[in-house]
Amino acid sequence: QQQVKQSPQSLIVQKGGISIINCAYENTAFDYFPWYQQFPGKGPALLIAIRPDVSEKKEGRFTISFNKSAKQFSLHIMDSQPGDSATYFCAARIYGQNFVFGPGTRLSVLP
Amino acid sequence: EPEVTQTPSHQVTQMGQEVILRCVPISNHLYFYWYRQILGQKVEFLVSFYNNEISEKSEIFDDQFSVERPDGSNFTLKIRSTKLEDSAMYFCASSVKAPNTEAFFGQGTRLTVV
Repeated sequence: QQQVKQSPQSLIVQKGGISIINCAYENTAFDYFPWYQQFPGKGPALLIAIRPDVSEKKEGRFTISFNKSAKQFSLHIMDSQPGDSATYFCAARIYGQNFVFGPGTRLSVLP
Repeated sequence: EPEVTQTPSHQVTQMGQEVILRCVPISNHLYFYWYRQILGQKVEFLVSFYNNEISEKSEIFDDQFSVERPDGSNFTLKIRSTKLEDSAMYFCASSVKAPNTEAFFGQGTRLTVV
């Protein structure tokens, strides 16, 4: 119940393409869903986050789509750039408790 | 831009030795956390700390682990007797308000136990 599933494990996208990473959860008590971006040798950096009362949130080229009934959420990276190449983690949290992270997606954007 | 800083960046230690990993959270943050990431695997929660006490800990955080805020700025993770399986990246994080909202992570300490 505390798991967050994430797919795909790895993703290769051409420059300018759309990168889509999907996550799913079971526990309906989760109330906060952040996405983290991690470059090699660095800590995870908060990219964008959403709460379940909103179906979509957009910040620049990054959009989270949230489907509460399906218990799924996804990250869309528009106009993907080589600099976006990193590992992306979705996460979920019950208020007052720790984050549960997905296993990560390694994104490679080809020039 | 304020950031969470961790030292050292890499620590090599012999099995059975004690290690202390250090973190300086962002100055106005009230909640502090340690996470770890075994190479190639997901980030796992270890412990959260608020108001000078542990607020939550995971199954990983057994008696070999302890945390401390020895002064107004540092937040430390101690592993008493390291094991080979403790080898991982250890990330400190902090957040200003409600637990785990907008947590900011440090760059990590790579711990290698030999």
